[in-house]
Amino acid sequence: EIVMTQSPATLSVSPGERATLSCRASQSVSSNLAWYQQKPGQAPRLLIYAASTRATGIPARFSGSGSGTEFTLTISSLQSEDFALYHCQQYNNWPGTFGQGTKVEMK
Amino acid sequence: QVQLVESGGGLVKPGGSLRLSCAASGFTFSDYYMSWIRQAPGKGLEWVSYISTGGATIFYADSVKGRFTISRDNAKNSLFLQMNSLRAEDTAVYYCARDRPTVSYWGQGTLVTVSS
Repeated sequence: EIVMTQSPATLSVSPGERATLSCRASQSVSSNLAWYQQKPGQAPRLLIYAASTRATGIPARFSGSGSGTEFTLTISSLQSEDFALYHCQQYNNWPGTFGQGTKVEMK
Repeated sequence: QVQLVESGGGLVKPGGSLRLSCAASGFTFSDYYMSWIRQAPGKGLEWVSYISTGGATIFYADSVKGRFTISRDNAKNSLFLQMNSLRAEDTAVYYCARDRPTVSYWGQGTLVTVSS
């Protein structure tokens, strides 16, 4: 099983600042990597797939990068609605595995 | 619009059983693989099971293999998860999910609590 490790577990950021979240795979997953956002009491929402392609309706301030084993989700200027839990998912070996999540909280 | 509505969660004792249901609407149910994904309290997401459009292809996570059974009724636009021999570690919110290999549509989730 491919293990996905996200860091940090919690990221404290002020509104308007940039947030950088990391996701590492225990072996190469090529570009088969997705990011989801989850707010309390809600289901996850797909943000990014294929490592860097934004899903429908996702604002341009969200961007993904990386390939192989190292991936990054960047939120260029945090809005109040962006404070949430973020998950990465590899699907190189479908159905894939998820990371433990990074919580982005207000500083 | 696409809607997935889960039901059937609740409190059950270890060793007990539950049957989860997911009612789908807003799309041609029989055209899509469907999945169950769970999230234990304070933990990450885990893909529990998926089923192909006609039911011929089924996957189970090792953690539930032999205890859980996924099924679907395309005539009734419904997905099911029969959970037997439940354990404390099965406590989680269970989501019905559509699409692969990433999930664009999720239900609101149903909470399963396994406790004596």
